[in-house]
Amino acid sequence: DTGVSQDPRHKITKRGQNVTFRCDPISEHNRLYWYRQTLGQGPEFLTYFQNEAQLEKSRLLSDRFSAERPKGSFSTLEIQRTEQGDSAMYLCASRSGEHSYGYTFGSGTRLTVV
Amino acid sequence: DQQVKQNSPSLSVQEGRISILNCDYTNSMFDYFLWYKKYPAEGPTFLISISSIKDKNEDGRFTVFLNKSAKHLSLHIVPSQPGDSAVYFCAAMNYGGATNKLIFGTGTLLAVQP
Repeated sequence: DTGVSQDPRHKITKRGQNVTFRCDPISEHNRLYWYRQTLGQGPEFLTYFQNEAQLEKSRLLSDRFSAERPKGSFSTLEIQRTEQGDSAMYLCASRSGEHSYGYTFGSGTRLTVV
Repeated sequence: DQQVKQNSPSLSVQEGRISILNCDYTNSMFDYFLWYKKYPAEGPTFLISISSIKDKNEDGRFTVFLNKSAKHLSLHIVPSQPGDSAVYFCAAMNYGGATNKLIFGTGTLLAVQP
């Protein structure tokens, strides 16, 4: 069990560019979440996958954002045409089945849009 | 609409004394509450949780108290240690909901002075 891995740890991009982040959850966890944290705020829910199915998307997830979890294993979060307001820490978390309360978070990807 | 509130952005205590971190919530559907600890540049790590059917849960130096009628919970750390210095997030979930997403407060920065 190596925990939840996120790649890259840091990303600096120019406004208007596309970026993609990857999350590798704990292998036996079928539930995967993406959160975003901005300065001075707590993590905010973005989207949820159960296996490969994306079951909920927050209204924070504009049409420039897309997330996938092919084959129910790793997940990717893509932001198209990045804006300065997208600068944040993007956190991935996973958990196992219905009777598990605890999430395991990754270390996050820090995105800076310049 | 901030459903989970942590009204103290920061708290400073002396080593060995008690730290009390507070959290209020507004959504009556929340039935499970968690505390997470976060160091800079790392993801949140799970600390302790409590179900709405209980009013207290202890784990070593950490105790969480829940007052459902007041929609208030608190985290007590006794005795406080310098290594406890971090940002603490309160989070809530509707366990009966479809996604079990966490709703976080804005965090309290705890500084334990040696």
